Amino acid sequence: AQSVTQLGSHVSVSEGALVLLRCNYSSSVPPYLFWYVQYPNQGLQLLLKYTTGATLVKGINGFEAEFKKSETSFHLTKPSAHMSDAAEYFCAVTNNFNKFYFGSGTKLNVKP
Amino acid sequence: GAGVSQSPRYKVAKRGQDVALRCDPISGHVSLFWYQQALGQGPEFLTYFQNEAQLDKSGLPSDRFFAERPEGSVSTLKIQRTQQEDSAVYLCASSLGQGGTYEQYFGPGTRLTVT
Repeated sequence: AQSVTQLGSHVSVSEGALVLLRCNYSSSVPPYLFWYVQYPNQGLQLLLKYTTGATLVKGINGFEAEFKKSETSFHLTKPSAHMSDAAEYFCAVTNNFNKFYFGSGTKLNVKP
Repeated sequence: GAGVSQSPRYKVAKRGQDVALRCDPISGHVSLFWYQQALGQGPEFLTYFQNEAQLDKSGLPSDRFFAERPEGSVSTLKIQRTQQEDSAVYLCASSLGQGGTYEQYFGPGTRLTVT
């Protein structure tokens, strides 16, 4: 069985500050990992994904995440927050691309 | 180009009524997924289609839930005898193929409220 834990349902940062959203997963087989962003009244949009290869992956809007197998983590970071980054972020895991498991989400608030 | 569309966007049903939720995936997309997103939670997998074949329905919560994709394009999620715990946003996603190369594109969801 697989599962995803996102620590912190709400994170608040100042504009220009580092963004760190945490994601830990459990999986009995090598996982494939994803981060999605959801703006109000919109569908989820893929930010980035780890499937194979380099463990540091870069996504859209300046976000990146690092797959750390020893820590079973896939934390999302952005060096400098922008007001437009305010949204809800979801981490997801799959091992077969048929069935995806999502975390409960982290709402990011960016203060001016 | 057009993305994934879902209809209706909002549905209010009285407990015990049947509902049908429609998903129009991106044209040519082989894979189609349904998720249920309760308030304050992340999406929970319901079922997966590859073309018209329903390859995984392990997430359907009860036999009141039924999904179909008869011609490998449009899909319908049907909920019979709705209960209050069925209130949620139902998300549909499609992808061009199966595997890590392919991105899931999500629709805006249908918000179902059972009164």
